[in-house]
Amino acid sequence: GESVGLHLPTLSVQEGDNSIINCAYSNSASDYFIWYKQESGKGPQFIIDIRSNMDKRQGQRVTVLLNKTVKHLSLQIAATQPGDSAVYFCAENEDSNSGYALNFGKGTSLLVTP
Amino acid sequence: NAGVMQNPRHLVRRRGQEARLRCSPMKGHSHVYWYRQLPEEGLKFMVYLQKENIIDESGMPKERFSAEFPKEGPSILRIQQVVRGDSAAYFCASSRGQGRNSPLHFGNGTRLTVT
Repeated sequence: GESVGLHLPTLSVQEGDNSIINCAYSNSASDYFIWYKQESGKGPQFIIDIRSNMDKRQGQRVTVLLNKTVKHLSLQIAATQPGDSAVYFCAENEDSNSGYALNFGKGTSLLVTP
Repeated sequence: NAGVMQNPRHLVRRRGQEARLRCSPMKGHSHVYWYRQLPEEGLKFMVYLQKENIIDESGMPKERFSAEFPKEGPSILRIQQVVRGDSAAYFCASSRGQGRNSPLHFGNGTRLTVT
């Protein structure tokens, strides 16, 4: 889930296991959600997005689940690899006219161990 | 196919100096956005520009910060009279269009340190 403290929540998984990263949002008007991956020293990289008229969307090795009732979003990564180690951010937007104004969460650090 | 290019990668300024951050969008992209990331925080939207126009600056601090995207050359984020609280990573993103069907592509950022 999202951290309110100074340190990022960290998820440690073994290589080959599945990872689940969670995100809670508070804005009921949000209708568009994106997951980004940020490696150390780099900018955020788009992973997958989902609109509020869907509750599940799949990509390559990733699945995003959206539960609008409890305002919860999750990112599932199948067969996690060392290259998946990064900080993962969920971002949301409520206004399609300003779809660029994304509100990012504080991130979850994923550490993949061999 | 070069991505979004930002320079410098690292910038150190003393309090009171000016910081100028540059961003060249991806080829074919005419929409540029600046975001700021404080340590262990998510990115915060600052400003959205198209060539020679500021479209949305709702996330920009009211004083000392300005942005431009001239007809020729990169977009510039300018911070005058920097203070310690300006220390952060500043990311530029670009897109081909404005809507949600035009995802943002981020650069690798400029890390500003104010001493």
